This record gives sequence, structure tokens and C-alpha cells, in this order.
Amino acid sequence: EIVMTQSPATLSVSPGERATLSCRASQSVSSNLAWYQQKPGQGPRLLIYGASTRATGIPARFSGSGSGTEFTLTISSLQSEDFAVYYCQQYNNWPLTFGGGTKVEIK
Amino acid sequence: EVLLVESGGGLVKPGGSLRLSCAASGFTFSHYCMNWVRQAPGKGLEWVSSITSSSDDIHYADSVKGRFTISRDNAKNSLYLQMNSLRAEDTAVYYCARGWAYSGSPFDNWGQGTLVTVSS
Repeated sequence: EIVMTQSPATLSVSPGERATLSCRASQSVSSNLAWYQQKPGQGPRLLIYGASTRATGIPARFSGSGSGTEFTLTISSLQSEDFAVYYCQQYNNWPLTFGGGTKVEIK
Repeated sequence: EVLLVESGGGLVKPGGSLRLSCAASGFTFSHYCMNWVRQAPGKGLEWVSSITSSSDDIHYADSVKGRFTISRDNAKNSLYLQMNSLRAEDTAVYYCARGWAYSGSPFDNWGQGTLVTVSS
């Protein structure tokens, strides 16, 4: 099983600042990496797939990078609606696995 | 608009069974892989099971293999999860999520979830 490790667990950021979230895979997942956003009481929303492609309707302030085992999600200028929990997921191998999540909170 | 609505959750005793359903609308259901993902209270996401559009390729997490069965009815635009021999650790919100046309793809639409509580 591929283990996905996200860091940090919590990120405190002021509105308008940049947020950088990391995701590491225990073995290569090529570019088969997705990022999701989840707000309290809601199902997750797909932000990024293929490590760097924004999903439909996702604002340009969200960007993804990386390949192999190291990945990054960057939110260029945090808006109030961006405070949430973010998960990475690899879909390169079965079983599909998620990282433990990074909570982005208001500083 | 893609809509996924889960139902069938509730309180069940350890060892009991439950069948979850997911009603899909707003897209051609028979063209897409479908998935179940769960989230224990206050915890992260855990993939549970996936099924291809024609049900010819199915995968399960080890934690549910042999106890849970995923299925679909393309004529009814519905996805199911039959859960047997339930344990306390199966307590979670269960989400239905749409994949793409092929197996092993990201999940581009999710439902709101249905809560399953396993407790005596």
C-alpha cells in the first residue's frame, strides 16, 4: 500500500497570504495525484488532478506541482472561503490512498 | 448538474448489516466508474471500494474485503454498498463519489454522505 503523508497537519495563514501544502508518497505515483478541499459538513471537492491540472470551476489561485513522490498545492492568495481541510490522494495503484489532511486555518 | 444522494445509513449493532444506496442524476451514469469513500468522526478520508461502469472490475480496501459488496444498477442510476458483519470501526460518514470512464481515476463529484453508526 502506498502511504501518503501530508504536512503540516495545520497551517495558520492570514487572508491574502500564500499557503503551501505538501504531500509525499511512499513510492512513485507518477502524476496520478489529486487534491481535494473539504469544508465542515460537506463532501470533498476535487481541486487538482494529474498533479497540476485544475478541475472544472476551480479558481486560478489554486495550483499543483510535483511528480513521483513529492507534490505541492499552493493557494496564491487565501480567500475566506479557502479555509478548510485539504487532502491529497494517489490513484496510481490499488488500494487508492489519501493523505491525512492539512487544515488551513485563519491566523 | 451532477447530483449524488446517499441514503440508507443509520444505527446498527455490531455484526449487523446495512445497505447503502446512492442515487445519481445529471449525467450518464452508465459511462462512469463509481466509488465509496468513508470518513470516521473527526478523521480523514478512507477509500472503501470502486466499480467500473459495466461492473467488470471491482476493488475493495483490505479493511472491508469479504464483508462489503459494491454493486450498481445502471437502469436505475444507482450505486449500492452492502455492508455485512459490521464492526465499531466501520462507524463513519459514507460518501458516494464519481470517477471517470476508467478504473483508478480521481473523484470529480461527491455526495453529501450518509452516517453509519455501529454500536450496541
